[in-house]
Amino acid sequence: SQQGEEDPQALSIQEGENATMNCSYKTSINNLQWYRQNSGRGLVHLILIRSNEREKHSGRLRVTLDTSKKSSSLLITASRAADTASYFCATAYTGGFKTIFGAGTRLFVKA
Amino acid sequence: DAGVIQSPRHEVTEMGQEVTLRCKPISGHNSLFWYRQTMMRGLELLIYFNNNVPIDDSGMPEDRFSAKMPNASFSTLKIQPSEPRDSAVYFCASSLFLGGSYEQYFGPGTRLTVT
Repeated sequence: SQQGEEDPQALSIQEGENATMNCSYKTSINNLQWYRQNSGRGLVHLILIRSNEREKHSGRLRVTLDTSKKSSSLLITASRAADTASYFCATAYTGGFKTIFGAGTRLFVKA
Repeated sequence: DAGVIQSPRHEVTEMGQEVTLRCKPISGHNSLFWYRQTMMRGLELLIYFNNNVPIDDSGMPEDRFSAKMPNASFSTLKIQPSEPRDSAVYFCASSLFLGGSYEQYFGPGTRLTVT
């Protein structure tokens, strides 16, 4: 079964608006990562947040992690049409190499 | 660095044929992952290697699938015989595992169509 589950499955917003995607997981993790995939391409790593961190920023990206609720959120501020892509959360469980990907959120930013 | 290299980028084959997908990880990385992505099942981890040794192949769907990593710079995923339901995009990813925190670098994928 998948470790990470994102919601919503799809999100459509206007350019300039903020986009928020959520991820929930089931077991203890070492870290949680967010990836982006443009249509027809491989996944690209965006940001990693460790289990002892609560918030992390990278440019227009803000990631939060709540280990008590086993959930994370990815916020993209001031979205652009170029942000249109699928976004995946991936969880690395404690003690393992394995990273399990969720089903992804498809984000569409209208110009 | 050229990133993770996969070949071929596209493969069309007939049911029953053998298919071999190839991957060259990023130099210096010690872990390699094979994934399969379909609309129905999303991104599935098939197998991963650490220091060229297969660690977990529980995601390999059937005995028709096999993967090897003869050295640190090359891996293959073989399907024999192929079936139409194997049609998918197959990704290879590599990472540098340093005891728990790591990011994966994905190749461009191989789009496999089995007719």
